[in-house]
Amino acid sequence: DIVMTQSALSLPVTPGEPASISCRSSQSLLNRNGYTYLDWYRQKPGQSPQLLIYLGSNRASGVPDRFSGSGSGTDFTLEISRVEAEDAGIYYCVQALQIPLTFGGGTKVEIK
Amino acid sequence: QVQLVQSGDEVKMPGASVKVSCKASGYIFSEYYIHWVRLAPGQGLEWMGRVHPNNNGDKSFAQRFQGRVTMTCDTSITTAYMELSGLTADDTATYYCARNRIPVPGKYMDVWGKGTTVTVSP
Repeated sequence: DIVMTQSALSLPVTPGEPASISCRSSQSLLNRNGYTYLDWYRQKPGQSPQLLIYLGSNRASGVPDRFSGSGSGTDFTLEISRVEAEDAGIYYCVQALQIPLTFGGGTKVEIK
Repeated sequence: QVQLVQSGDEVKMPGASVKVSCKASGYIFSEYYIHWVRLAPGQGLEWMGRVHPNNNGDKSFAQRFQGRVTMTCDTSITTAYMELSGLTADDTATYYCARNRIPVPGKYMDVWGKGTTVTVSP
């Protein structure tokens, strides 16, 4: 199975400041079709996960443009350009290149 | 609107089975895989498997659930089911269904159910 690693368990952030969450995979997530099979989700307490970014860098419908995804191969980043209070939650990267899909351990974004 | 409505919370004895349903509406059921993902207390998200609504033979599971999980769909009522047998305390979790478009690149899940909490306790 592909192992996904999010090194930061917790990330305290100040509203209005940028934030960056890192994710690493144990093998390249580049598919033969040219797409990178890496997605980002956020889960707030008591809520279902929400898709933020798919195929590495595509924002899901309704996701504010302050969220962006980047990276290639095995190293990926989710960036929030200016954090807002509503951005608190646990952020997960997930690889969708191979079955089973595997999630990173999650990074908890805490608003200072 | 597009939604996945899951069945209610369950409390089960160890060794029992649980069957969770996921009713889809607002979209063409056959055009999306249904995935099942769980969140155990203090843990992260864990993918369990997925099933094709039109082809119950087209399904994939995480190895750790092989032989213990059954995933099916009833297209006549646009409902997916996940049944987990041989429950232990480690299966205490919130179980989510989610959809993923067929056939597009990727397996990203754009709509999720609200979750069904299964508690396993003697």
